[in-house]
Amino acid sequence: AQSVAQPEDQVNVAEGNPLTVKCTYSVSGNPYLFWYVQYPNRGLQFLLKYITGDNLVKGSYGFEAEFNKSQTSFHLKKPSALVSDSALYFCAVRDKDTGFQKLVFGTGTRLLVSP
Amino acid sequence: GAGVSQSPSNKVTEKGKDVELRCDPISGHTALYWYRQSLGQGLEFLIYFQGNSAPDKSGLPSDRFSAERTGGSVSTLTIQRTQQEDSAVYLCASSLAYGNTEAFFGQGTRLTVV
Repeated sequence: AQSVAQPEDQVNVAEGNPLTVKCTYSVSGNPYLFWYVQYPNRGLQFLLKYITGDNLVKGSYGFEAEFNKSQTSFHLKKPSALVSDSALYFCAVRDKDTGFQKLVFGTGTRLLVSP
Repeated sequence: GAGVSQSPSNKVTEKGKDVELRCDPISGHTALYWYRQSLGQGLEFLIYFQGNSAPDKSGLPSDRFSAERTGGSVSTLTIQRTQQEDSAVYLCASSLAYGNTEAFFGQGTRLTVV
């Protein structure tokens, strides 16, 4: 069965500094990988996805993520953090090869960007 | 509709009562998911529907929980004999049939069992 690990409950970064939110995954086949963001009292919003091709994926609001197959990781990054980026971030995975389309999420990482 | 619609947005119920939560997916989306999110926590998978296939019910926490999807569109999540630990935000999402497509989420139903 597929699974996702987000090892950090919270990441703190100062505005203007680069940020990284970590995600590792486990699937029996090849993965489809997704990042979502949840602002307070809001639903989840899609940020970006890795399907195939370039390992560096660019998404909304200046975020990007790097797929690393050997490390089974898909870390979310942004070169310069904004206070408005403070939110809860979720990584998710589907197994491309088994035909199971269930979308499994990690436990989430709270990003706090200080002014 | 333009997005995934869930109703009600808030529900307060007494312990032991049954509740029904509704999800209207995006038109044309054959995949539908229910998740549960406790206060500020992660997403717990509950159930997944895909077209006419048998649903994946592996995440339902007890036999008090059930869900159906009528006509391949609207879905209802039913919780019988609610307990205080059922209090959470219940999120619905839908997507196209293909695994490489992202899921779109509704705003959720906040359930409070008193």
